[in-house]
Amino acid sequence: DGGITQSPKYLFRKEGQNVTLSCEQNLNHDAMYWYRQDPGQGLRLIYYSQIVNDFQKGDIAEGYSVSREKKESFPLTVTSAQKNPTAFYLCASSPGVPGHSNTEAFFGQGTRLTVV
Amino acid sequence: KQEVTQIPAALSVPEGENLVLNCSFTDSAIYNLQWFRQDPGKGLTSLLLIQSSQREQTSGRLNASLDKSSGRSTLYIAASQPGDSATYLCAVGLGYKLSFGAGTTVTVRA
Repeated sequence: DGGITQSPKYLFRKEGQNVTLSCEQNLNHDAMYWYRQDPGQGLRLIYYSQIVNDFQKGDIAEGYSVSREKKESFPLTVTSAQKNPTAFYLCASSPGVPGHSNTEAFFGQGTRLTVV
Repeated sequence: KQEVTQIPAALSVPEGENLVLNCSFTDSAIYNLQWFRQDPGKGLTSLLLIQSSQREQTSGRLNASLDKSSGRSTLYIAASQPGDSATYLCAVGLGYKLSFGAGTTVTVRA
């Protein structure tokens, strides 16, 4: 079954803790993305990676970090510097061919992070 | 900066009625526009992708149009069913980036 797997589905973080959200894809896509979704708002881009060992900040990268050591994996760490981390986090991937207008994005099922 | 707006935020219709969902964007320099469906607590499911050179795209009961010059897209869902109840989001693409609207939450009453 091809797709994007996010784990865990639910995650609880104590104040001052770092937590890592997992995202794995077997679609052989070059590009991967992390978005944050808050109620009543559109998805906002945190980080994206066009290729292994390379990633760029999105619109709201402060308090987050990522790595891209393998094509299939793009984990997101929510650090203690992120002051309001409670949200729904979505990982996505796309074939990512620059300049091609048929670049469709596919999403995982999300991780809901709650600060306790 | 690209701004994407979806109006209305919520919509309730009786079963069988056709649905019309609107999406507007401020910058017409886009590669594509994608419509997604999101069920409560779930991820996004891609419904339709319209490339910048296309005017519309169809899949079953779904039809999406794109007017780049006016910065608008419309998603039509024919003969709505209770199973169509969900939040529908549009996203405009430029290169690797997608800019999302906040979505329209649809309820189809049986």
